[in-house]
Amino acid sequence: DGGITQSPKYLFRKEGQNVTLSCEQNLNHDAMYWYRQDPGQGLRLIYYSQIVNDFQKGDIAEGYSVSREKKESFPLTVTSAQKNPTAFYLCASSIEGAGARGNEQFFGPGTRLTVL
Amino acid sequence: AQSVAQPEDQVNVAEGNPLTVKCTYSVSGNPYLFWYVQYPNRGLQFLLKYITGDNLVKGSYGFEAEFNKSQTSFHLKKPSALVSDSALYFCAVRDGSSASKIIFGSGTRLSIRP
Repeated sequence: DGGITQSPKYLFRKEGQNVTLSCEQNLNHDAMYWYRQDPGQGLRLIYYSQIVNDFQKGDIAEGYSVSREKKESFPLTVTSAQKNPTAFYLCASSIEGAGARGNEQFFGPGTRLTVL
Repeated sequence: AQSVAQPEDQVNVAEGNPLTVKCTYSVSGNPYLFWYVQYPNRGLQFLLKYITGDNLVKGSYGFEAEFNKSQTSFHLKKPSALVSDSALYFCAVRDGSSASKIIFGSGTRLSIRP
C-alpha cells in the first residue's frame, strides 16, 4: 500500500453523525484523491486535490467535504447529508502536472464505513 | 468524453492455464492505460501501464498487457495462472492529451481454481 495510510480501518456511524476519515501520504505527491467503492460499481471519485489549499468535486461529492491544509494530508468528512454512506473508501495520491499524466496512482489500504 | 469498459464481471481459469482479462476504452486523444489489482479489503496495487512505445507492456507478478489501437483494447494477460492471482482487477484510462481525470472500469473478478 506504499506510503499512504488511512485510518481507521473500520468505522461505524450512527444515523445523523458526521465522521472524518484520515488519509496521510509521505510520497511528496501533489495530487490526492478520495474514491468510494461499492460492489459491482468500481471506483467513483468523490473529491480530488491537485495542490495544497485547493480541491475539486468529483462525480459524487454530495454529502461529503474535504480539506487540504497540508500536502501530506487530505481528510474526508462524511456528513449526515450523505444518505447512503456505507461503503469502502479509498484514498490515493499521484505526481501531478502536465508532464505527469502518465503516472500511476498509489492507494491506501482503505476504510470500511458502516452506518448502524 | 472518456470511458473504459470491462465486459466480464468474472473470469474463471484453471491453475496453469493462460488467462485474459478484457478491457476496452474510449478517449478523444492519446490513451494512457493502467491495470490495478485489489485483494480483499485492501487498496489497489498498480500492475502495469501503457503510455507510448511498445504495444506489449510487461508488469508485476508475470502479468502483461497488449495495447491495440485499432480495437481500442488493453487486455491483461498471463501465460500461466496461479491460485494466488485470484483477485479483483481494474482497468483505467486517462486522456493523455488533456488535463482529464483517470477513469476506472467496474472491475473483473478473476478466480483461479486449483
